[in-house]
Amino acid sequence: GENVEQHPSTLSVQEGDSAVIKCTYSDSASNYFPWYKQELGKGPQLIIDIRSNVGEKKDQRIAVTLNKTAKHFSLHITETQPEDSAVYFCAASYSNQFYFGTGTSLTVIP
Amino acid sequence: GAVVSQHPSWVICKSGTSVKIECRSLDFQATTMFWYRQFPKKSLMLMATSNEGSKATYEQGVEKDKFLINHASLTLSTLTVTSAHPEDSSFYICSARPPRGGAQYFGPGTRLLVL
Repeated sequence: GENVEQHPSTLSVQEGDSAVIKCTYSDSASNYFPWYKQELGKGPQLIIDIRSNVGEKKDQRIAVTLNKTAKHFSLHITETQPEDSAVYFCAASYSNQFYFGTGTSLTVIP
Repeated sequence: GAVVSQHPSWVICKSGTSVKIECRSLDFQATTMFWYRQFPKKSLMLMATSNEGSKATYEQGVEKDKFLINHASLTLSTLTVTSAHPEDSSFYICSARPPRGGAQYFGPGTRLLVL
C-alpha cells in the first residue's frame, strides 16, 4: 500500500519568512495530492491541492510543487503570518483511497 | 461551497451509553463519506469509508459492531459509538467527497468524553 512521509514534524519560523513542508509517497498510482490545515480543536481545512499532471500550483501566499519522478511534493508558504500557525497534513490519493502524512506543527513567531 | 457539518461538537456521556454523531454535507451530495479518529497531536486515523446505500468498509482493527456507520442519504452519514467506554474518548472527524472526486472536505469534529 501507499506510504506517505512528512517532514519536518515541527517547524518554527519568524513572521514574514517562508515555510516549506515536504512529503514523499511510495505508490506511483497516486495521482492527487491535497494539503490540509488544522487549527486546534477544529477539523482539517483544504488549503491547496495538485493533480499528477501538474508540476506546480499557486494560490496567493501558498504554493505546492510535485515531482512525480522522485515521488515527492512540497507545500510552500511565503510571507508567513501568525495566523498561519497550525498543523499541516499532506495526503496522497488514488481512486477513493487517501493516505495522510503525520503532520507538521508550524509556529509563526511574531 | 463544500461545507460539511457535524453534530454534536461536544458530547460527554457515562460509560455504557451509546452516542450518535451526525455528519452532513450541506451544499453538495457525497457518495462517499469517511470517518476518522484523532488522538492529541497525532495524525488522522481512518476508521471506515461509507458509500451511500451500502455497508461501510472498516479499517483493520476497527470493530464494526462497536462503531456503527449508516450512510442513508447522499448528504448524511452517522457514526454510533455503542456502549461507550473511557478508552473511546477521542476527537471524531467525518469528511465527505463529491462524486466528481478530488478532495475530501472535513467536518469540524466531535469531541467525545466518556466518564
